[in-house]
Amino acid sequence: EAAVTQSPRSKVAVTGGKVTLSCHQTNNHDYMYWYRQDTGHGLRLIHYSYVADSTEKGDIPDGYKASRPSQENFSLILELASLSQTAVYFCASSRLGGRGEQYFGPGTRLTVL
Amino acid sequence: GEKVEQHESTLSVREGDSAVINCTYTDTASSYFPWYKQEAGKSLHFVIDIRSNVDRKQSQRLIVLLDKKAKRFSLHITATQPEDSAIYFCAASMYNQGKLIFGQGTKLSIKP
Repeated sequence: EAAVTQSPRSKVAVTGGKVTLSCHQTNNHDYMYWYRQDTGHGLRLIHYSYVADSTEKGDIPDGYKASRPSQENFSLILELASLSQTAVYFCASSRLGGRGEQYFGPGTRLTVL
Repeated sequence: GEKVEQHESTLSVREGDSAVINCTYTDTASSYFPWYKQEAGKSLHFVIDIRSNVDRKQSQRLIVLLDKKAKRFSLHITATQPEDSAIYFCAASMYNQGKLIFGQGTKLSIKP
């Protein structure tokens, strides 16, 4: 079965600090995604990637960087965490990109104080 | 860019009745429309999808209808059961586009 794991599962960060969220997939999928979920906003795409060493901006990339060092790993980096970045973050992978099923990780609950 | 709107933010139906969740999209080039389910406190998982070359698709108690003229698609859950209670997200994408655009989600509650 498809497997996407995320670490950490929850994190408390201080305003202005650096936060790195990690995602690992064993699906052999080319596409990987980072979303944030906020109440009332559904899922919003932050960054995505369709090949190692390359990332694309999603719909809300400001304040976030992404890194795809290998097909299996995709990281989301908050260089200067802010209160507004408190949310649940989901990673997903897909074989067909926007044309097929996405497999989601369990999520990371980030609280910025 | 593409926008996807889910009309109902919450929906409550009696167990055994049908539930209908409606979504609209803005870009006529959109051609792939999946639905995802998120149970309380959990992640999302895929439930059903439809592509623009058909206007109806069924998988057990789930039916998806697509009206390309109206740029509208809907998820019908028949004979609802307590385990159908969840947030349902619709999404859309264009052919060869690497990403999905999600709606805001509909929280479905099944009353006994």
